[in-house]
Amino acid sequence: AIVLNQSPSSIIASQGEKVTITCRASSSISSNYLHWYQQKPGAFPKLVIYSTSYRASGVPSRFSGSGSGTSYSFTISRVEAEDVATYYCQQGSSNPYTFGAGTKLELK
Amino acid sequence: QVQLKETGPGLVQPTQTLSITCTVSGFSLTSYYMQWVRQTPGKGLEWMGFIRSGGSTEYNSEFKSRLSISRDTSKNQVFLKMNSLKTEDTGVYYCARERSYGVMDAWGQGASVTVSS
Repeated sequence: AIVLNQSPSSIIASQGEKVTITCRASSSISSNYLHWYQQKPGAFPKLVIYSTSYRASGVPSRFSGSGSGTSYSFTISRVEAEDVATYYCQQGSSNPYTFGAGTKLELK
Repeated sequence: QVQLKETGPGLVQPTQTLSITCTVSGFSLTSYYMQWVRQTPGKGLEWMGFIRSGGSTEYNSEFKSRLSISRDTSKNQVFLKMNSLKTEDTGVYYCARERSYGVMDAWGQGASVTVSS
């Protein structure tokens, strides 16, 4: 199985601050198959970025993604209060699909 | 409007079988893969398996021996059945639609399952 190591596990940021989350895969993944989700407490995961760098419908432009091979990143350019959530990377390249352990974003 | 909704038993006894139904609207099951993902306190988000638009299935080997996914296209429903439940199977079970490349672009609200006697 491809293991996705996400870091950091938690972030405390101020509104307006830039935050970046890293997702490192145990094997190389085609960039088409790496995705990011946002999960707010008590809710389902919501697709934010698909295929490394494409924003899902309705997602604000402050969210972006990049990467290739085994190293991927997810950035919020200016954190807003509504961005408080846990963020997960996920690969759909091979069975079993796997998720990172999550990064919990909190506001200072 | 795309909608997915899971319905399940809530409480299941250890060693018993879990059955959850995912009812969808706004799209056809014959056009998309349908995924099952669970979220447990012990392991976080875990992919369980999917049923392809053509009806064949693929499972995570972690569950393969006790998991079954099926569907009824006439009722727009996808089914998860898992037997031999253990307390560590307690969690929230989600169905999700896969667009392509493993992208899960629509999710149900989740069915909370507690395995306890």
